[in-house]
Amino acid sequence: AQKVTQAQTEISVVEKEDVTLDCVYETRDTTYYLFWYKQPPSGELVFLIRRNSFDEQNEISGRYSWNFQKSTSSFNFTITASQVVDSAVYFCALSGNTDKLIFGTGTRLQVFP
Amino acid sequence: DAGVIQSPRHEVTEMGQEVTLRCKPISGHDYLFWYRQTMMRGLELLIYFNNNVPIDDSGMPEDRFSAKMPNASFSTLKIQPSEPRDSAVYFCASSLGSGPLSTDTQYFGPGTRLTVL
Repeated sequence: AQKVTQAQTEISVVEKEDVTLDCVYETRDTTYYLFWYKQPPSGELVFLIRRNSFDEQNEISGRYSWNFQKSTSSFNFTITASQVVDSAVYFCALSGNTDKLIFGTGTRLQVFP
Repeated sequence: DAGVIQSPRHEVTEMGQEVTLRCKPISGHDYLFWYRQTMMRGLELLIYFNNNVPIDDSGMPEDRFSAKMPNASFSTLKIQPSEPRDSAVYFCASSLGSGPLSTDTQYFGPGTRLTVL
């Protein structure tokens, strides 16, 4: 069975702090994909990143970075120098040998000025 | 290019009424997914289509729910009769491809917030 665990239900930080959102996944598939989505207060789901299981390189996009480690089945997301606009619910998701996307329960990030 | 379009954005109805939610996927996308989001159950996949054909409807909660995709650019999710426990945000998403060889990114619409009184 496939499963995504986001153990952090809610995180609060002050602006300019760095914050890491944890994601641990379970799958028996050898080929799989991992995703992060952002859901701001307005409600839409915004795609942030996709990684496949053969690419363990970390990725950086501006203030966002992702650390994929197969050894620990983790795909963590770090926001550097957080801003109020980063306040949202962040979902980690997994897709393997099916068409389905399995979502974690989400981590609510609140960034205070 | 326009993203996934959903209508209406908000729907308030009374218990027992029929509700129809609409979705227009991104042009050229072969897959269309319907999700429901609630506080209690998070994001749930209800049904998805490939080339307008329903592939898996195991997530549809009961017979009151039905979904159709008459063509590549339009899908509906219908609830009849609606009940208060159907209150949720319903998302439509589309992707170019999916499955083990080409699991592509799902792009989500803005959602329809349904309230059943």
